[in-house]
Amino acid sequence: GENVEQHPSTLSVQEGDSAVIKCTYSDSASNYFPWYKQELGKRPQLIIDIRSNVGEKKDQRIAVTLNKTAKHFSLHITETQPEDSAVYFCAASKSGGGADGLTFGKGTHLIIQP
Amino acid sequence: DTAVSQTPKYLVTQMGNDKSIKCEQNLGHDTMYWYKQDSKKFLKIMFSYNNKELIINETVPNRFSPKSPDKAHLNLHINSLELGDSAVYFCASSQEGGQTPLHFGNGTRLTVT
Repeated sequence: GENVEQHPSTLSVQEGDSAVIKCTYSDSASNYFPWYKQELGKRPQLIIDIRSNVGEKKDQRIAVTLNKTAKHFSLHITETQPEDSAVYFCAASKSGGGADGLTFGKGTHLIIQP
Repeated sequence: DTAVSQTPKYLVTQMGNDKSIKCEQNLGHDTMYWYKQDSKKFLKIMFSYNNKELIINETVPNRFSPKSPDKAHLNLHINSLELGDSAVYFCASSQEGGQTPLHFGNGTRLTVT
């Protein structure tokens, strides 16, 4: 089955700096790569996703890049703010339909230092 | 209205008991899931289900069983609870399997004493 590795497990950055979280996946058939943000005590929520026919996608301060050849994808957060502090999860899926779910990375605890 | 709702929010019980967690989604999604989040925050899929198939993660003990009375509900039954079952359990749904965004419920924190 799919295996998703995520690094780093903890990332501390100064407010206003950029943060980068990296993930690799094992199954070359995977073609959907979402990122979820989970604040303390709350549910994971989708912040951005990318499909394998696209190399990069941006949404305001958040961007995701995908390198299919190397089987890795990254989340970039610019101009970090205190409310960006949370655990971020990458995930991968190869389903073309049916009931397959997402395989998640182990999460990155992002800490924004004031 | 809450899109994916699960009850109870907290569940404290003793080893050996049997318990259930209920989940309902009002998004009209075809696929529902149960995920387990352990103390290290790792999210692991337990089950995924749509009207055509049930996929069970092979590492999930058979003490855990999903039950779906209709496509808007996927309940989780747990028999003979063990200490290691303590975790947060998230229900989720998606429109078309794993290729579309997951919508999570607020989670059920299960504590087995």
